Amino acid sequence: RKEVEQDPGPFNVPEGATVAFNCTYSNSASQSFFWYRQDCRKEPKLLMSVYSSGNEDGRFTAQLNRASQYISLLIRDSKLSDSATYLCVVSAGNNRKLIWGLGTSLAVNP
Amino acid sequence: ETGVTQTPRHLVMGMTNKKSLKCEQHLGHNAMYWYKQSAKKPLELMFVYNFKEQTENNSVPSRFSPECPNSSHLFLHLHTLQPEDSALYLCASSDGLAGYNEQFFGPGTRLTVL
Repeated sequence: RKEVEQDPGPFNVPEGATVAFNCTYSNSASQSFFWYRQDCRKEPKLLMSVYSSGNEDGRFTAQLNRASQYISLLIRDSKLSDSATYLCVVSAGNNRKLIWGLGTSLAVNP
Repeated sequence: ETGVTQTPRHLVMGMTNKKSLKCEQHLGHNAMYWYKQSAKKPLELMFVYNFKEQTENNSVPSRFSPECPNSSHLFLHLHTLQPEDSALYLCASSDGLAGYNEQFFGPGTRLTVL
């Protein structure tokens, strides 16, 4: 089993749709969780950290399910500009080593 | 200049060449990182420097040699590379270690090894 696993997609959705991505992780001792966004031919940028209680930032909601070892990202009212690859990142261990997922590709269509 | 800058943005080199990648961060961060991003693979962390000291080397072949002269600059020296080393090399920095804090990435160097 991969340490961090994501469905690579692509997810093709119309503008205004709600879309959700999951990311599973194998290390039950993982401590920190993040979603990064990477536009085509650009560098990754932090979208949001994922807190145990879940957190929301505008149209984006992130949740953590420790029992099932996955995190999720929900995007409401999708915009064309949301088209990107969404990278799940998990850290674990004393040195908080970061493990990156392969990413989920989202294309929002007019 | 703001954020994290990387030069060159594109590099084509032969297997016998020696070249260096440069990264500079203007954010006052103390931790810097080199990553490799290949098609169809997750980001691979190569090296971590914290306050100029190397704290992580993820079994990277010796043909990649990092150098961190100060907290703002990071180099990756390349020699006798292989075609499979062709990839996007990303530099990042963070205020404190990345497992706790946001990483800021540079635009990357697109490397092609012939």
